Amino acid sequence: ETGVTQSPTHLIKTRGQQVTLRCSSQSGHNTVSWYQQALGQGPQFIFQYYREEENGRGNFPPRFSGLQFPNYSSELNVNALELDDSALYLCASSPFSGGGTDTQYFGPGTRLTVL
Amino acid sequence: QQQVKQSPQSLIVQKGGISIINCAYENTAFDYFPWYQQFPGKGPALLIAIRPDVSEKKEGRFTISFNKSAKQFSLHIMDSQPGDSATYFCAASFGGSQGNLIFGKGTKLSVKP
Repeated sequence: ETGVTQSPTHLIKTRGQQVTLRCSSQSGHNTVSWYQQALGQGPQFIFQYYREEENGRGNFPPRFSGLQFPNYSSELNVNALELDDSALYLCASSPFSGGGTDTQYFGPGTRLTVL
Repeated sequence: QQQVKQSPQSLIVQKGGISIINCAYENTAFDYFPWYQQFPGKGPALLIAIRPDVSEKKEGRFTISFNKSAKQFSLHIMDSQPGDSATYFCAASFGGSQGNLIFGKGTKLSVKP
């Protein structure tokens, strides 16, 4: 088990609603990345936060937004939910040291279902 | 150019056998190639990773073989066990492991007793 925790575990929303997912990074980790994993697919990169700033973004629309807090925990917000947003949302933390040798540790994910 | 292609989609191996999963990539800027293992209801967990300056890396029963010229890399699981039954993902990134990971579509491995 990694030290990355996510909440809630499961969530059911209806189309058009907004959702906030939360992630607590492993102790000592200052970088958080979010991924979306559709059923039967590999995770897809949404964005990464480093020291409270967005540090890279994948091919996701602006209604996917995030925050990182001073304690390095993070939130993923999704507005105007669509049916295709139903997926497992994974958070990964890493201890960015600039050396390019740090591992991304994944949390257990939040299963979002949009009806 | 950003894709990582993984095969096979599913694999059935007898206990004690060798499981082999292959991945191919196009972007030569990739400089970090990890393999992740995912059990149902869990997040992916890093198994083993390699960088392009090394052709092979072994950790216990898990070996990555890397062919830079062919832009391919593979995971070998020796002496496969029923507990190895899981979905395996290859991935690639540039900018080291801090870079965003681009995952393959996964291989569901079943090891039969």
